[in-house]
Amino acid sequence: AQSVAQPEDQVNVAEGNPLTVKCTYSVSGNPYLFWYVQYPNRGLQFLLKYITGDNLVKGSYGFEAEFNKSQTSFHLKKPSALVSDSALYFCAVRSNSNSGYALNFGKGTSLLVTP
Amino acid sequence: DTEVTQTPKHLVMGMTNKKSLKCEQHMGHRAMYWYKQKAKKPPELMFVYSYEKLSINESVPSRFSPECPNSSLLNLHLHALQPEDSALYLCASSQPRQGFYGYTFGSGTRLTVV
Repeated sequence: AQSVAQPEDQVNVAEGNPLTVKCTYSVSGNPYLFWYVQYPNRGLQFLLKYITGDNLVKGSYGFEAEFNKSQTSFHLKKPSALVSDSALYFCAVRSNSNSGYALNFGKGTSLLVTP
Repeated sequence: DTEVTQTPKHLVMGMTNKKSLKCEQHMGHRAMYWYKQKAKKPPELMFVYSYEKLSINESVPSRFSPECPNSSLLNLHLHALQPEDSALYLCASSQPRQGFYGYTFGSGTRLTVV
C-alpha cells in the first residue's frame, strides 16, 4: 500500500530561522506526493505537490519541498519561518487504483514558530 | 470557480436525528471524496465516488450513507449517529484516475453528536 510517514509529532523553530518538516514515503511505482497545511478549525490547504520532473518543488507561501528518491523522502522546507506558519502539516501520497486514487495522509506534524 | 463548498459549517445533532452534509464543486472534477478527521489526527478516507458511482467504501458504518446526485454534488446522509462520530467531515474533489492536478478540499463540516 502507498504510505507516508512523518517522524516528528512537533517541530519548534524560532521566527526567521529555516524550518524543515520531514516526510518519508513507501510506494510501488512512481509516487504522487503532496503537502497540506491545516490551521485550527479549518480545512486542508494545498501547499505543493510532486508528480514528476524537477526534484525541488516550489509551492505556496514560500514553502518548497525536495523529492529525494534514494532516501525516499519529501521534506517540506522554508528558508525563514513566520509565526503565522504555526499550524498542522500533513504529507500525503496518492493511493493506488484499489483505493480509488484517494490521498493517504501521514499522522501530521505540528509546527510551532516562536517570536 | 476553484473551490469545494461544504454546508453547513457546523452541525449539532442528537443521536436520533437525521441530517445531511452537502458538498459542491464546479471545477469539472469527476472524483469526489468524504474524509473524517478527529482533532489533531490525519483525515481518514470514508468514501470515494468516481463518475458519480461509489467506488470505495472504507468499511464505514451504515449510519453514514453517501449520495452523488450529479457530477457537482456530493451528500452524506447521517442517521442514528453516536457521540464518537463527532468530528470534522471533509469533502474533496479531483480528476479521477490521476490526481495529477491535485486534490481540492472544502473547509469541512464540524459535526457534534449529543
